[in-house]
Amino acid sequence: QVQLVQSGAEVKKPGASVKVSCKTSGYTFNSFAISWVRQAPGQGLEWMGWISCYNGNTDYAQKVQGRVTMTTDTSTSTAYMELRSLRSDDTAMYYCARVTTEATGGDHWGQGTLVTVSS
Amino acid sequence: EIVLTQSPGTLSLSPGERATLSCRASQSVSSTFFAWYQQKPGQAPRLLIYGTSSRATGIPDRFSGSGSGTDFTLTISRLEPEDFAVYYCQQYGSSSLTFGGGTKVEIK
Repeated sequence: QVQLVQSGAEVKKPGASVKVSCKTSGYTFNSFAISWVRQAPGQGLEWMGWISCYNGNTDYAQKVQGRVTMTTDTSTSTAYMELRSLRSDDTAMYYCARVTTEATGGDHWGQGTLVTVSS
Repeated sequence: EIVLTQSPGTLSLSPGERATLSCRASQSVSSTFFAWYQQKPGQAPRLLIYGTSSRATGIPDRFSGSGSGTDFTLTISRLEPEDFAVYYCQQYGSSSLTFGGGTKVEIK
């Protein structure tokens, strides 16, 4: 079955960087894209961008453009999201999701990674 | 960026009742790329409906989606105890993907 398993919770100081991993299994990795979505505590869902696992092409949301880098490692079927220059308002649960042409928001999701930014 | 506005913010209903959730877009969106998600506390969102009206795998037929242009609706024909959750609409267009702010369906 399709599974996306994310790395564990992180605590970072303002100005630092964080890199979250999303290890996939149960499907052909390079046939789909991976989307990253975050959710601040008690808030709604915010799309950060996505990466094609076929050719590495990316599309980032304007709000995080310049601070985010999404990559993949096809040898391990893993996607990564790095966010730099962290601020307190980056504190959120970060989710990866498998993107299909029908389900652009994602048809299968990881369990989430809590990133806390605090001095 | 297309803004999705969901209403009501909270819907208080009893099990067995019908739930009607609305999502209005700030400009016309593609029906092909319109979806609904369900999220329960402490869980990741789950895809319910894609392409405006197609149920995702394993989603019971009490969930249905409809709409076009700027107005979309998610209907739950008879609420089951496990349906009390937050629901988000989502669209993709013009190289941008957005979610609505969510509707919480709570037990009355």
